[in-house]
Amino acid sequence: DAKTTQPTSMDCAEGRAANLPCNHSTISGNEYVYWYRQIHSQGPQYIIHGLKNNETNEMASLIITEDRKSSTLILPHATLRDTAVYYCIVRVNTNAGKSTFGDGTTLTVKP
Amino acid sequence: ETGVTQTPRHLVMGMTNKKSLKCEQHLGHNAMYWYKQSAKKPLELMFVYSLEERVENNSVPSRFSPECPNSSHLFLHLHTLQPEDSALYLCASSGGVTGGSPLHFGNGTRLTVT
Repeated sequence: DAKTTQPTSMDCAEGRAANLPCNHSTISGNEYVYWYRQIHSQGPQYIIHGLKNNETNEMASLIITEDRKSSTLILPHATLRDTAVYYCIVRVNTNAGKSTFGDGTTLTVKP
Repeated sequence: ETGVTQTPRHLVMGMTNKKSLKCEQHLGHNAMYWYKQSAKKPLELMFVYSLEERVENNSVPSRFSPECPNSSHLFLHLHTLQPEDSALYLCASSGGVTGGSPLHFGNGTRLTVT
């Protein structure tokens, strides 16, 4: 798996957009970018994934740079319930299950 | 309701006990996984099953024994555990080991070994 680098922690004001960056400079052409989050004492929750095009769903948007070496997860209107650890993972999509989790980014949404 | 249900949510066991963790998924997936999450450490993949066959075993000690009787159920049998095995054990499922389906996790079993 390609290694990913994320900031250890970030703060965001409630109601504002939260932009979580991820660097994956060694990503291969057939590797997808996946995002999960883990709220305290719960299992990780899948958020979104993409290959090279930007993606949007009801939870978030994923922006992948043209060279695919980095990406940004955007939570458009952060709420207190979005406080969690966010994990960025890159995987060949033929084997998505064997995902390697790093330390992630602890996002704290403040009132 | 996550679609992946783990029982029990909490378990305390002595080092000589034998216990089992259970996982059930209601998503129609054909791959299931066990992960371990120790305090202040990333998730570690333990086992992967695809169509009830084990396809991955990440050098896990033999005191952990997985069982997958069908594509909806996964067990982790525990015996002669050590205190350092205390952790959150997470089960996940996906549409297949191949095919690109994201993982869906249960809320885990918090295990304490005394």
